[in-house]
Amino acid sequence: QLQLQESGPRLVKPSETLSLTCAVSGASISRSYYYWGWIRQPPGKGLEWIGSIFNNGATYYNPSLKSRVTLSVDTSRNQFSLKLSSVTAADTAVYYCTKSFSDYDFWSALNWGQGTLVTVSS
Amino acid sequence: QSVLTQPPSVSGAPGQRVTISCTGSTSNIGADYDVHWYQHLPGTPPKFLIYGNSNRPSGVPDRFSGSKSGTSASLAITGLQAEDEADYYCQSYDNSLGAPVFGGGTKLTVL
Repeated sequence: QLQLQESGPRLVKPSETLSLTCAVSGASISRSYYYWGWIRQPPGKGLEWIGSIFNNGATYYNPSLKSRVTLSVDTSRNQFSLKLSSVTAADTAVYYCTKSFSDYDFWSALNWGQGTLVTVSS
Repeated sequence: QSVLTQPPSVSGAPGQRVTISCTGSTSNIGADYDVHWYQHLPGTPPKFLIYGNSNRPSGVPDRFSGSKSGTSASLAITGLQAEDEADYYCQSYDNSLGAPVFGGGTKLTVL
């Protein structure tokens, strides 16, 4: 059974870079034709799609975050990562890593990690 | 302000049928992009509920159904149960923004 697990610092200072990793178990990223992505939810607010990456490294980013977001995949460790630079308090949110439903729909999210709350504060 | 508009809340008694609307425009739902629905219970990750407007992933009860017409989509829940109390989100793609978008979410209360 596929499982996704986010890890990374829970507290990030303003202007610094938020870094999260999603470990994948129960499936091989390199042999799976799905999109691996990130979605976040600020406290008390709705869901926001951040971006997705395919196993060949092809990326799709939310234009509203594109200048600050970098997604990468490490097939040798079967994990993928999110970096969000120049963070502010507005980036405080629960961050979820996800797997798409299909190989043609880069923005669906069939599988989800448990989510990790990242707080931006000095 | 979400590009996809959902009612903030809906409610119904156990056993009843409720619907949740998701109103978009010609740059998203009306442009023939698929609509997906998610169920989000507090403290747990969202659950993929409906894909491709009206299809249920394996394991989702047939009490949940989706439909789409023009620039809107709807989620219907029949035989309402206490465990259905959650937030529900629609999702589609917007070619004007060049990104997937979510509705603002609808809180379902089972009376």
